[in-house]
Amino acid sequence: GAGVSQSPSNKVTEKGKDVELRCDPISGHTALYWYRQSLGQGLEFLIYFQGNSAPDKSGLPSDRFSAERTGGSVSTLTIQRTQQEDSAVYLCASSRDTPEQYFGPGTRLTVT
Amino acid sequence: RKEVEQDPGPFNVPEGATVAFNCTYSNSASQSFFWYRQDCRKEPKLLMSVYSSGNEDGRFTAQLNRASQYISLLIRDSKLSDSATYLCVLYSSASKIIFGSGTRLSIRP
Repeated sequence: GAGVSQSPSNKVTEKGKDVELRCDPISGHTALYWYRQSLGQGLEFLIYFQGNSAPDKSGLPSDRFSAERTGGSVSTLTIQRTQQEDSAVYLCASSRDTPEQYFGPGTRLTVT
Repeated sequence: RKEVEQDPGPFNVPEGATVAFNCTYSNSASQSFFWYRQDCRKEPKLLMSVYSSGNEDGRFTAQLNRASQYISLLIRDSKLSDSATYLCVLYSSASKIIFGSGTRLSIRP
């Protein structure tokens, strides 16, 4: 079946611009997670959705970051006024009723 | 102290060798444990869950030691295709999932 998809796969943007990253989870998966991974580093938890609500936003690095999920499916992560330190791979994962997560291929964001 | 610690490696071993690495954790409330594998410039993929009694999947064996707070992964008869970064993952609740920073494994011919 279809896995987690993310778009765009690559995004290059100028410092100060806003970007929107999209995640389509596996159909029927109620939980959705966003992570960030800088080159050679581990995964940094950003936010978790159960259905459309986000019980835990504690990982968002600053108020320039926001995320929403609609219809219990698609999620978007928005970064406003991007900075060079935002450059990273943004990974989305989904899961059903168990902790096992299935990851999308990620969006590689480069802020110039 | 970090919640999850892994030796970053790299572990460089010949094909056919047995290799093992550990992951230590500090939160005794952690409920579930997993090993993920991440290939270069790819997303992480679930390798196996780790059960209290230990579990095996082909050439891979995972163990959990709650008393000493670590999990381990052993790979027997290593293949070139086993070269990857291995991430240990702890789950305390749906919003408390901690990924280790990974151990790099390189298998040489």
